[in-house]
Amino acid sequence: RKEVEQDPGPFNVPEGATVAFNCTYSNSASQSFFWYRQDCRKEPKLLMSVYSSGNEDGRFTAQLNRASQYISLLIRDSKLSDSATYLCVVNAGGSYIPTFGRGTSLIVHP
Amino acid sequence: DTGVSQDPRHKITKRGQNVTFRCDPISEHNRLYWYRQTLGQGPEFLTYFQNEAQLEKSRLLSDRFSAERPKGSFSTLEIQRTEQGDSAMYLCASSRGRTGVYEQFFGPGTRLTVL
Repeated sequence: RKEVEQDPGPFNVPEGATVAFNCTYSNSASQSFFWYRQDCRKEPKLLMSVYSSGNEDGRFTAQLNRASQYISLLIRDSKLSDSATYLCVVNAGGSYIPTFGRGTSLIVHP
Repeated sequence: DTGVSQDPRHKITKRGQNVTFRCDPISEHNRLYWYRQTLGQGPEFLTYFQNEAQLEKSRLLSDRFSAERPKGSFSTLEIQRTEQGDSAMYLCASSRGRTGVYEQFFGPGTRLTVL
């Protein structure tokens, strides 16, 4: 089993839709969680951190479920500009080495 | 521009040649990471520096790969005797902090093509 698993998609949604991605991790000692966004042929950029209590930033909501070992990203009212690959990132406790998932591709169409 | 920079942006080389890439992190960042990314995959960790000390290397990293960060500022990644399987995007990232986990800022990457 991979350390961090994501459905590669693509998720094809119309503008205005709500879409959710999950990311599962295998190391129960994981303590830090992030979502990064990567546009085509560009470098990854931090979208948001994922806290135990959840995290919301505008149309984006991230949740952590430690019991089931997954994190989620919810995007409401999708925009064309949300089209990108969303990378899940997990750090095991005490480690400064992040493990990236393979990413989930989102395509928002008119 | 105070972001992470990488040079060159593109490199085409023949199999068996050596290549060297450079990364200039954000100046106040202590940590520097190298990753490799291939199409359809997330960045794969290669190595990590805290200031000038190389603290971790991926077990998957061949001994053909070496990295340095001589004065705790810029870093170089060298690949000796390149193979076609080395073709990938090589990303550098930096972050602040001595303890804890912080946002990583990525450079634009160096795209390597081995013919």
